[in-house]
Amino acid sequence: TQLLEQSPQFLSIQEGENLTVYCNSSSVFSSLQWYRQEPGEGPVLLVTVVTGGEVKKLKRLTFQFGDARKDSSLHITAAQPGDTGLYLCAGLRRAGNQFYFGTGTSLTVIP
Amino acid sequence: DAGVIQSPRHEVTEMGQEVTLRCKPISGHDYLFWYRQTMMRGLELLIYFNNNVPIDDSGMPEDRFSAKMPNASFSTLKIQPSEPRDSAVYFCASSMTGLSHEQYFGPGTRLTVT
Repeated sequence: TQLLEQSPQFLSIQEGENLTVYCNSSSVFSSLQWYRQEPGEGPVLLVTVVTGGEVKKLKRLTFQFGDARKDSSLHITAAQPGDTGLYLCAGLRRAGNQFYFGTGTSLTVIP
Repeated sequence: DAGVIQSPRHEVTEMGQEVTLRCKPISGHDYLFWYRQTMMRGLELLIYFNNNVPIDDSGMPEDRFSAKMPNASFSTLKIQPSEPRDSAVYFCASSMTGLSHEQYFGPGTRLTVT
């Protein structure tokens, strides 16, 4: 069992649709990050959230950290083909100060 | 500034051969991470260093894998002997203390063991 579970695992949508990706855990995290990975490249950091309940926006992407700091969500508005990629959440677990990556969500946006 | 540099980008080798992957972290970063990524298992942390010292190697699959960081600007991941199941993309990443471990990844090394 992975410490950070993401859902859905795969998502294929039409351009212009909205979507939400979830990252859940039973553990408390000091901070949580979202990365996007394109084929043939390494993951690229999108955002870091550190405060329970925090919401951050990056253009059409909205990130939220759960109040209890055990989960996070990524919402994309009006998805575009350029949003296609593997989205990974990652976090620094408070207990043990260890870093974990989530299971990943593969997003395909069809033109 | 240059990002994390990895070499080689692609490596094809025969089972039983020794493989060495190289990484140069971003200057000033004091953490270095080695990951392995496969379709089946996703992104797995193998080992990480802080100030050139290995902190957690619990993700290293077995004794065939070893990693070193002789100085702040260079690290290697060695597999000896290599096996077909080691085929994967290996990433190196670096980060700086105090930034919630925000990691910057290299382009990866795609390893194929035949």
